[in-house]
Amino acid sequence: AQTVTQSQPEMSVQEAETVTLSCTYDTSESNYYLFWYKQPPSRQMILVIRQEAYKQQNATENRFSVNFQKAAKSFSLKISDSQLGDTAMYFCAFMKHSGGSNYKLTFGKGTLLTVNP
Amino acid sequence: DAGVIQSPRHEVTEMGQEVTLRCKPISGHNSLFWYRQTMMRGLELLIYFNNNVPIDDSGMPEDRFSAKMPNASFSTLKIQPSEPRDSAVYFCASGADNEQFFGPGTRLTVL
Repeated sequence: AQTVTQSQPEMSVQEAETVTLSCTYDTSESNYYLFWYKQPPSRQMILVIRQEAYKQQNATENRFSVNFQKAAKSFSLKISDSQLGDTAMYFCAFMKHSGGSNYKLTFGKGTLLTVNP
Repeated sequence: DAGVIQSPRHEVTEMGQEVTLRCKPISGHNSLFWYRQTMMRGLELLIYFNNNVPIDDSGMPEDRFSAKMPNASFSTLKIQPSEPRDSAVYFCASGADNEQFFGPGTRLTVL
């Protein structure tokens, strides 16, 4: 079974600064996907970024980027130029590769990020 | 595309009543997932379907919970009888190409 650990229950950052959220995972799978989801107060779950384990290059989406260290089983999210709208709960999630079908997501407990003006 | 549609958005019911949650996935997606979110347990999978077939229901708490997917565009999650400990936010997610997109969730309160 897979486990996902987010060791920072809460973090805060000043607007326009950079913040990094940590995530580690444990799995015996060799091929899998990692995700970061954002959940603002509206409670909508929003996919922020995806990383395929077989790709060495770190994924980026505008101000969001990841640092994927496969050997260390680490998957951190960096948010650059933080904005007030980035205030949300952030969840790290794992999904094993399963051919043409999807597999379930295993989530961490989340990190509550507050961006201060 | 309208995204994943869930109804109702909020449900308040009394213990012992039947509750039915509904989900319409994104057109063309072949996987559908039901997750539950609580403060104590976080986000956990209840059941998921691939091509309308249930694949893994190991997360369904007990026999009071049942889920169906009669066709590619509709799924239900039913709780009968409901209990206060079932109070949670229930998410439906639609999946394709190894990504999952979530609906807005149903906040269920059982009194």
